Amino acid sequence: NAGVMQNPRHLVRRRGQEARLRCSPMKGHSHVYWYRQLPEEGLKFMVYLQKENIIDESGMPKERFSAEFPKEGPSILRIQQVVRGDSAAYFCASSPRASGQETQYFGPGTRLLVL
Amino acid sequence: GENVEQHPSTLSVQEGDSAVIKCTYSDSASNYFPWYKQELGKGPQLIIDIRSNVGEKKDQRIAVTLNKTAKHFSLHITETQPEDSAVYFCAADGGGFKTIFGAGTRLFVKA
Repeated sequence: NAGVMQNPRHLVRRRGQEARLRCSPMKGHSHVYWYRQLPEEGLKFMVYLQKENIIDESGMPKERFSAEFPKEGPSILRIQQVVRGDSAAYFCASSPRASGQETQYFGPGTRLLVL
Repeated sequence: GENVEQHPSTLSVQEGDSAVIKCTYSDSASNYFPWYKQELGKGPQLIIDIRSNVGEKKDQRIAVTLNKTAKHFSLHITETQPEDSAVYFCAADGGGFKTIFGAGTRLFVKA
């Protein structure tokens, strides 16, 4: 059973470009969470999605950031007009049920570097 | 909202010694407390979790204790080995669908 997959693993963008991060949850999981981790810091919740629905985006900046989880295909975290402060590791996690009391399984992360 | 504090930020122990990491949380409604281990360049991996109806849980060299009254929980690693060196995160369910993470403890196990 494949785990959570994320790609790309590393992404380099220049200021002003767009970054697209993809996440495929574990088989049978329909709940996806995105987190951001700055160097030497913990994980900060960004957004929680179910198939075709954004359930909680309270941790995601209102400007430039968006997320989706379509009926078919991976979840996408999109960052428009990237700035240097967006440089971080972005982790996706999935769970089989909708609850903060469920174990979340993390992917390997995408490390975004904005030049 | 929920806040999770974690101490220490760095911990260095000799191989074979025990390591203890402590966390406190603010929301008395929290009921689920997972611990994750993150190795360099990888995503966090669950190592043990505890729910509020249990005071202690053990899995081989790893144990977690929970004091709901004081709102703190701890991770205990006995007989530490070099491969235990990693960053450890505590977490608590933050209401609804959120999981709130501590800032992490960087554990060094010296051979």
